[in-house]
Amino acid sequence: ELKVEQNPLFLSMQEGKNYTIYCNYSTTSDRLYWYRQDPGKSLESLFVLLSNGAVKQEGRLMASLDTKARLSTLHITAAVHDLSATYFCAVDQGDDMRFGAGTRLTVKP
Amino acid sequence: NAGVTQTPKFQVLKTGQSMTLQCAQDMNHEYMSWYRQDPGMGLRLIHYSVGAGITDQGEVPNGYNVSRSTTEDFPLRLLSAAPSQTSVYFCASSWLSRSSAISGYTFGSGTRLTVV
Repeated sequence: ELKVEQNPLFLSMQEGKNYTIYCNYSTTSDRLYWYRQDPGKSLESLFVLLSNGAVKQEGRLMASLDTKARLSTLHITAAVHDLSATYFCAVDQGDDMRFGAGTRLTVKP
Repeated sequence: NAGVTQTPKFQVLKTGQSMTLQCAQDMNHEYMSWYRQDPGMGLRLIHYSVGAGITDQGEVPNGYNVSRSTTEDFPLRLLSAAPSQTSVYFCASSWLSRSSAISGYTFGSGTRLTVV
């Protein structure tokens, strides 16, 4: 059974700092997604990573995928308050997507 | 351009009551699914459908029923509500073809359900 583990689960950052969120998964997959969720809101698709070595960047966020290591990372550069949210990775498993538990990010001034 | 529409947004049920959470999408997506979100557990798949007339169980299907009579609608029925079903429920849809599923799922705004 596919398991998806994210760490850390909670992350408090100072504005301007860099940090990385990790997503490990247990079985082979070549399709990984990152979502953002603001408190009380729905999930918004951030990145879709479709192959080994894929790298996507949007603003201060950069996601990468290493299918051999079964690892994806979401790197935050020079964090700003607007990035405060919960970030989920999700791994494609054929007919469904399995989600990690989420990383609650708080960016402080 | 509604995307995925869920109703209601909030609901309080008494233990043993039944109800239906509604989900409709206007993007002609073949794939639809229901997730529940509980603190610290991410999203867990309840049921999914790959097209009208086809449904299957996900990770946590017990206590829930679904049907898919049209491409647009995918209602979730709670047969006899229990406090353990207190959660936030999300409906999602996407293209079915793996080559087309490049944008992830489109999620509804969620239904916050409390069972007392």
